Amino acid sequence: AQTVTQSQPEMSVQEAETVTLSCTYDTSESDYYLFWYKQPPSRQMILVIRQEAYKQQNATENRFSVNFQKAAKSFSLKISDSQLGDAAMYFCAYRSAGSNFGNEKLTFGTGTRLTIIP
Amino acid sequence: GAVVSQHPSRVICKSGTSVKIECRSLDFQATTMFWYRQFPKQSLMLMATSNEGSKATYEQGVEKDKFLINHASLTLSTLTVTSAHPEDSSFYICSAKRQGGNQPQHFGDGTRLSIL
Repeated sequence: AQTVTQSQPEMSVQEAETVTLSCTYDTSESDYYLFWYKQPPSRQMILVIRQEAYKQQNATENRFSVNFQKAAKSFSLKISDSQLGDAAMYFCAYRSAGSNFGNEKLTFGTGTRLTIIP
Repeated sequence: GAVVSQHPSRVICKSGTSVKIECRSLDFQATTMFWYRQFPKQSLMLMATSNEGSKATYEQGVEKDKFLINHASLTLSTLTVTSAHPEDSSFYICSAKRQGGNQPQHFGDGTRLSIL
């Protein structure tokens, strides 16, 4: 079974600065997807960014980028120019590739609570 | 877009009541829907996965008769908590996914269930 570990329960960053959230995972599979989801106080889960394991290039979405190290099974999220609206719980998630029914479920990490300091 | 609507957002009811939660994909067809449970300050735990028109697949430890899931159409799935008790109080979140291996899950806003 796959596991996802987020070793930082809480992080804080000054507004406009850069912060990196860590995520490691354990799997025996070679093809999979990795995601970062954001859950603000409103509790809705919002997809921030995703990475396909077969792609060597790190995914980027505006101020959000990842550092995907497949050999190390590491998938960190970097938030540049942090804004007050970035304050939320951030969850790292893993999903097997392939279209089999059982492959579609997400395995989540325990989350990192990010606080933005004005 | 990919909007998922979950209703109701908050339920407070007496012990022994059955509660139904709806999850709708508003602007896409969701071949697969998922139901999660989230305890305070904890991660999401998958309860079950359902494909339209077929029986749901429950995760280990989740009681099928307690948490009834119906995925009646490509845009609607329901979770019914039968004979709810205080220990069933939690935050329940659904997600929906289009067909295709690389499609992400899109989440509803969640339902906070409080059983008195």
